[in-house]
Amino acid sequence: TQLLEQSPQFLSIQEGENLTVYCNSSSVFSSLQWYRQEPGEGPVLLVTVVTGGEVKKLKRLTFQFGDARKDSSLHITAAQPGDTGLYLCAGTASGGGADGLTFGKGTHLIIQP
Amino acid sequence: GAGVSQSPSNKVTEKGKDVELRCDPISGHTALYWYRQSLGQGLEFLIYFQGNSAPDKSGLPSDRFSAERTGGSVSTLTIQRTQQEDSAVYLCASSLLNPPDTQYFGPGTRLTVL
Repeated sequence: TQLLEQSPQFLSIQEGENLTVYCNSSSVFSSLQWYRQEPGEGPVLLVTVVTGGEVKKLKRLTFQFGDARKDSSLHITAAQPGDTGLYLCAGTASGGGADGLTFGKGTHLIIQP
Repeated sequence: GAGVSQSPSNKVTEKGKDVELRCDPISGHTALYWYRQSLGQGLEFLIYFQGNSAPDKSGLPSDRFSAERTGGSVSTLTIQRTQQEDSAVYLCASSLLNPPDTQYFGPGTRLTVL
């Protein structure tokens, strides 16, 4: 079983601060996705990273895939209240396969005005 | 175009009753997935359909759970003799191509077993 550990589980910070969320595994993933989920809704895909060492930017969000493709991070600059939500990382097993995504338990992020 | 839809949005049932959850994927999407999201447990993969067939059913928690997909479109997840530990949000997703294509999620069905 491939596990993804996310940290921190909960994070509450003030508007304007920076933060980093981590997603770690002992397994290699062919790709990692980051999702954001709001209450009463399904997860919405933010980004997919597929190449070791890859860095992708989405406005104030920066996503990085580890060189060994076992870990990833999400960095938010100058957080806004609208960034509040549950952030989930999910991986596709290395070598493909018919399984669904393996999800981490998520990071609950609260940005206080 | 419409996204993934699920019904009902909420379901409250008594222990021991059967429930049926429905998922309408995005039109034309080949693959369909079911996940379960419990408090503190994250999303748990249950089953995936490639067309109408499910290559691997080992993710289903017990033999009380079954799923089918007909016509390459709508899918139903059935839970027989529900138990309190079945209470969770059941999420459906679909992707245009088979895995590992991008999955698009529905809003989920919140199931509460009393």
